[in-house]
Amino acid sequence: GIQVEQSPPDLILQEGANSTLRCNFSDSVNNLQWFHQNPWGQLINLFYIPSGTKQNGRLSATTVATERYSLLYISSSQTTDSGVYFCAVCSGTYKYIFGTGTRLKVLA
Amino acid sequence: EAQVTQNPRYLITVTGKKLTVTCSQNMNHEYMSWYRQDPGLGLRQIYYSMNVEVTDKGDVPEGYKVSRKEKRNFPLILESPSPNQTSLYFCASSLEQANTEAFFGQGTRLTVV
Repeated sequence: GIQVEQSPPDLILQEGANSTLRCNFSDSVNNLQWFHQNPWGQLINLFYIPSGTKQNGRLSATTVATERYSLLYISSSQTTDSGVYFCAVCSGTYKYIFGTGTRLKVLA
Repeated sequence: EAQVTQNPRYLITVTGKKLTVTCSQNMNHEYMSWYRQDPGLGLRQIYYSMNVEVTDKGDVPEGYKVSRKEKRNFPLILESPSPNQTSLYFCASSLEQANTEAFFGQGTRLTVV
């Protein structure tokens, strides 16, 4: 089955710093989403991005499907950005396959 | 507001006492599914449903049941919970499978003692 790898596994930033999170996947996909899991455990949709680039405020994402990777950019990070970021892909089966996540901590 | 609602959010129960976690979506989505999240194992699919009265097993269905009598509801049933079912559970829905955006519920943190 498809493998989804995320890097880095852990990231500590000072408030105001920028960061790039990466998601690599091992086969072609129909769908890719980025989620933020907050400290209360909720999964928040960030981007639905099977290809191309999208922006939402301080966050943006790019998926290059032909090269099988996606990037999530966080600019001017805030303490509320802390949590775990997951990418998840769907390849035509009836389930999402989640990466192992990037755990982000933003320090005040 | 478009959303997926799970209840309860937190539950502590005893081994063997049947329980149901409810999931409801208001987006008229056809596809719904259940996942569990465990440390070191990530999120794994339990069951999914492509439409009313159509359900199928995911990767870890043992010990769980589901039903889809109405489009909006997809309850997860634990007939005889055991401690290894202690986990964080998520319900998800999407318009169709595979190539449409999925929306997740707030999560249900279940502890079985």
